[in-house]
This record gives sequence, C-alpha cells and structure tokens, in this order.
Amino acid sequence: QKEVEQDPGPLSVPEGAIVSLNCTYSNSAFQYFMWYRQYSRKGPELLMYTYSSGNKEDGRFTAQVDKSSKYISLFIRDSQPSDSATYLCAMSGTSRDGGTSYGKLTFGQGTILTVHP
Amino acid sequence: ETGVTQTPRHLVMGMTNKKSLKCEQHLGHNAMYWYKQSAKKPLELMFVYSLEERVENNSVPSRFSPECPNSSHLFLHLHTLQPEDSALYLCASSQDHRNSPLHFGNGTRLTVT
Repeated sequence: QKEVEQDPGPLSVPEGAIVSLNCTYSNSAFQYFMWYRQYSRKGPELLMYTYSSGNKEDGRFTAQVDKSSKYISLFIRDSQPSDSATYLCAMSGTSRDGGTSYGKLTFGQGTILTVHP
Repeated sequence: ETGVTQTPRHLVMGMTNKKSLKCEQHLGHNAMYWYKQSAKKPLELMFVYSLEERVENNSVPSRFSPECPNSSHLFLHLHTLQPEDSALYLCASSQDHRNSPLHFGNGTRLTVT
C-alpha cells in the first residue's frame, strides 16, 4: 500500500465550479500537510501548509485535514482557467522511531486539473 | 525572480557524458534538496543537505553525486547515466530540514540518449 494515495485524474470542470481534491494516507505519524500547485514546465509552488487537524482558508482555497480518517482535502471555490495545473499533496512528520524526520515529504502522485471557460 | 534558480533548464546527454546540474537559493534557507520527478510517479527524494552537511541519501545510484559547497548552492554531478534516468530534476530549499515547507526551483529537464 502506498503511504499517500491521490487520484491522478484528470479532472475537468467548468469555470466557476467548486473543485475538491483529495488525498488519503496510511502513516499516522504525519502531522504536517501541504498542497502544491505545479504549472506545466514549472516547479511545484506551495499553496497551503497546515499542521494537524482542522481547516485553513486562503482566498478561494481551503485546506482540510481529518487525521482520524487520514484524509486531506483542498477546495477551490469559483475556479478559474488559471487554476489549471497539477495539484500535489505532501505530508511529513516524525519518523517511525520517534525521531524528527529530515523534512522528508511524502508526495501524492498529483491530480491534473483543467478548468475550461 | 524565483527564490530558487536551477540551470540549465534543459539538458540532453549521452550515456558516457559527464554533466552537472546547478541550483542556487536566494531565500536564506539552511536546507537544500534534490528531487526526481518522472511521469505518473510521485516526487522522489534523492538527497538532503542541512547546513552543507548531507543528512540523507535516499538509496540513489552512485552515478548521481551531489555537492553542497555552501548553504546557497547545490550541485548534482551526473556520469554514465541510463535512459531511465531521464526525468525532471527539481532542487528545493527550506528554512530547516525538520518539516519546513519546501520552495522549489523550476527544474532541469534531463534527457539521456
């Protein structure tokens, strides 16, 4: 079983739609959760960074973490064609022996999103 | 200007060549990373440097050799690569190597012929 599962899509929605992107994970030690956006021919760009469970909102973007279900989500409201990109979830935490990880992010495969006008 | 700059953007090399990838970060971060991104696969961590000391080598073949002369610069030296090494190589930096978010460069698209 992969540590992080992310539906690769592709996902195609009309402009203005609400987009829901999701990841599930198996390692209960994960405590830090991130979403990155990657445009074609560019590197990943940090969108959201959250610690532990709860919600975080930034403009049209909302990140949710449910540690009890080992499930994280990114919602995009009023989606725009400029949101078309690959969205990567990533997470990290303490290593299994209780030590501090060396920033070892575990990434999902990425979901390709297209928002059409 | 991006905080993390990678050169070259594209590289084509034969299996017997030796080349180097360069990364420079302008963010004052203390940790730097090399990642490999292949189609339809998650990002793979290759190397981690913290304050110029290598703290992780993720079972990477010896044909990839990293170098970190100072906290702002990172190199990846390549020799006798295989076609399956063709991928996007991403450099990243973070404030420290303990769960800080990463800031990525735009990568070097490497093709091995």
